[in-house]
This record gives sequence, structure tokens and C-alpha cells, in this order.
Amino acid sequence: AQSVSQHNHHVILSEAASLELGCNYSYGGTVNLFWYVQYPGQHLQLLLKYFSGDPLVKGIKGFEAEFIKSKFSFNLRKPSVQWSDTAEYFCAVTRSGSSYKLIFGSGTRLLVRP
Amino acid sequence: NAGVTQTPKFQVLKTGQSMTLQCAQDMNHNSMYWYRQDPGMGLRLIYYSASEGTTDKGEVPNGYNVSRLNKREFSLRLESAAPSQTSVYFCASSEGEGGHEQYFGPGTRLTVT
Repeated sequence: AQSVSQHNHHVILSEAASLELGCNYSYGGTVNLFWYVQYPGQHLQLLLKYFSGDPLVKGIKGFEAEFIKSKFSFNLRKPSVQWSDTAEYFCAVTRSGSSYKLIFGSGTRLLVRP
Repeated sequence: NAGVTQTPKFQVLKTGQSMTLQCAQDMNHNSMYWYRQDPGMGLRLIYYSASEGTTDKGEVPNGYNVSRLNKREFSLRLESAAPSQTSVYFCASSEGEGGHEQYFGPGTRLTVT
């Protein structure tokens, strides 16, 4: 079965530190990849997505992610985090051509200390 | 544009009671979804509706039923609530097939005692 692994469940950083959150998926075919963010008390919002083309994807709020097909990975990065980035981050995968079965990772809780 | 709306925001049920969670979207999307979110498990798909008039089971459908009332509305029903259904429920919508982004509602926090 298709699965998504987020290895870091909790991450604590100080402001201005660099961030990298890992995401690996198990499906071997062509995939669409997403990172969603859930700020405290809010609903999920899309940070960025990859469908095809340049494997380095830029999203909102200075986030970016790199799709490495050979490693089945789609890691999220930000060079310098802010206190307002405190949130839970979810990686999600679906097969190309079908958005119905969006499989989520278990999430990573990020706490940024001021 | 309200996006995806859900009612109620909070609900407490006793074991065995029934209730319906309501979801509506105003983006003219074809597809709608129901997820549950549990700590450490991410979001899991309960049911989805690819288009008006169709519904299909997701990863964890047991104990739930759904109705796609029209293109805008997609409801989730718990016929006989169980403590294992304590969770946060999210509704989402998307344009349809093709890897389109899903847009999420604010969630319903349900506690079953």
C-alpha cells in the first residue's frame, strides 16, 4: 500500500535557524506531491506542490521543497524560520491523474522559539 | 468567497447517539472529501465523492455514511457513535481528478463519551 513517512515528529528551532523536514513515500509510479501546513487553531493550507517539471519547487512564505525521484523524497526547507512558522506540517502524495486518494504523512510539529 | 465551511465546530456525543456533520463549498468544485485527524496519524480519508451523485470509500469508512446532496454539499453521518470516533473531522474539496489541490474546511472537533 502507498504510504508517506515523516521521520521528524517534533522539531524545535530558534528563530533564524534553517529548517529541513523529511518526507519519503513508497509509491513507485508517477506521483503528485504536496506540503500542507496547519497553524494553531486553523485549517490546513497548501504550502507548495509538485506535479512535474523543475524538481525544486518554491511555495509561499519562503518555503521550498526538492523532489528527488531516486530517493522517493520530497523534503521541505526554509533557510531562516520565524516564530510565525510554528505549526504542524504534513506531506501528502497522490498518484498522477487521480487526486482522490491523497495519502498524508503523520505530520511534524514545528516549534520556533523567539 | 467562504471556501469550505463545516458545521458544527464542536460536538460532544454519548456512545450510541447519531449525528450528521455538514460541509459546503462555494468554489464549484466537482470533488469533495471527508477526513479524520488523529494525533500522530495525520489525516485519513473516510469517504470521498468524485462528482455529484457518486461516493466511494476511503481508508477508514467503517461506522460512517455520506451523502452528496448536490454539487455544493457533502455530509458525513455517524449512525451510532463510538469512543473510537473521537477525532477532528475535516471536509475538503477539489476541482477533480488530475492531482488538483484540495481545499480544507476549519474542522469539527467531535468527542464521544
